[in-house]
Amino acid sequence: AQSVTQPDIHITVSEGASLELRCNYSYGATPYLFWYVQSPGQGLQLLLKYFSGDTLVQGIKGFEAEFKRSQSSFNLRKPSVHWSDAAEYFCAVRGSTLGRLYFGRGTQLTVWP
Amino acid sequence: EAGVTQFPSHSVIEKGQTVTLRCDPISGHDNLYWYRRVMGKEIKFLLHFVKESKQDESGMPNNRFLAERTGGTYSTLKVQPAELEDSGVYFCASSQEWAAFYEQYFGPGTRLTVT
Repeated sequence: AQSVTQPDIHITVSEGASLELRCNYSYGATPYLFWYVQSPGQGLQLLLKYFSGDTLVQGIKGFEAEFKRSQSSFNLRKPSVHWSDAAEYFCAVRGSTLGRLYFGRGTQLTVWP
Repeated sequence: EAGVTQFPSHSVIEKGQTVTLRCDPISGHDNLYWYRRVMGKEIKFLLHFVKESKQDESGMPNNRFLAERTGGTYSTLKVQPAELEDSGVYFCASSQEWAAFYEQYFGPGTRLTVT
């Protein structure tokens, strides 16, 4: 069965520190992987996606993620966090033949000044 | 270009009442999705419309939920009668095509509270 695990419910970092949010997936076929961010009062916004090719993908707002098939992981990283990055982050997977996304539980990021 | 809009933003109803949520997708997007997030849990798929047809409704929890998309434009999700476990945030998303590399654009969600 398809599933996504985000092991960290809440992460707190200082502004300027580096960030890594973890995501592990379970999917029988070739996965299409996504990271979304939700700020308060806003809808989910796509940060980046991986379909194939280079396993390191760049997204908006300075985020990147690395696909590691051997570890079934797709961790999100940012070298230097800004206070405006405080939000909830969701990892998601889908297949090529279905429209639906499977989401993790989300990771709430708090940024200290 | 307007994004996906949802109405209302928040609804509080009593158990046994009926509530109708509305989603207006981005103009020209044939694909419309409903998702739900129960507090503390993951966002879960409910159903997928292609134009006015239900492409996949396997995520609908039970027959108290009825989704429609007349004319292939906006969609409504009716819960009748509402139960306590229906509380959560209901998200709508739309995409131009359903293939994986077409981004799903999400609305801000409707927070439903059943008391």
